[in-house]
Amino acid sequence: DAGVIQSPRHEVTEMGQEVTLRCKPISGHDYLFWYRQTMMRGLELLIYFNNNVPIDDSGMPEDRFSAKMPNASFSTLKIQPSEPRDSAVYFCASSFMGSGNTIYFGEGSWLTVV
Amino acid sequence: QKEVEQNSGPLSVPEGAIASLNCTYSDRVSQSFFWYRQYSGKSPELIMSIYSNGDKEDGRFTAQLNKASQYVSLLIRDSQPSDSATYLCAVNSHSGNTPLVFGKGTRLSVIA
Repeated sequence: DAGVIQSPRHEVTEMGQEVTLRCKPISGHDYLFWYRQTMMRGLELLIYFNNNVPIDDSGMPEDRFSAKMPNASFSTLKIQPSEPRDSAVYFCASSFMGSGNTIYFGEGSWLTVV
Repeated sequence: QKEVEQNSGPLSVPEGAIASLNCTYSDRVSQSFFWYRQYSGKSPELIMSIYSNGDKEDGRFTAQLNKASQYVSLLIRDSQPSDSATYLCAVNSHSGNTPLVFGKGTRLSVIA
């Protein structure tokens, strides 16, 4: 059973460049979450989708961040332009109604902006 | 603002001892509670979930919930060096699949 799949696993980019992170949720899951993890702030929710519809994006830090979910098996998180303070691990996670709120994480995308 | 508080540690225990990890939460209507384990450089993985007051046991792990005190704990019996990791407490407030709010985690070190 494939878990949540994220790409790229690691990305180093220069300040000002566009970054696109990708996620494939577990098949059959109807909720998708994007979290960001830093030492200072821990795991923070950025945005989540239900049935491909964004439900709450209040955690998105700035207009430089955007997320889409064009279909049930794919989501992107885009940062444009990127800044050094965006350096973090970005986790995608998914769950399904009836899972008792259990969410399953992908391996994460480790982003470094220099 | 929903908050989940954990002692950051590190918590050091000798191999074979009981490790006790604690978590408090601010939202009184919280209904679902989770413990995730995160090894360095890896993603969080679910260890335990608990929804009712009292204890829930799974192997060497016991989760304890006290909603009146807004307190969740995780006990690890017979701690092993392989249990060394960061343990994240997570809470959500409503039924249905609303997002989890995570504490910053407690780093556990089991000394052989």
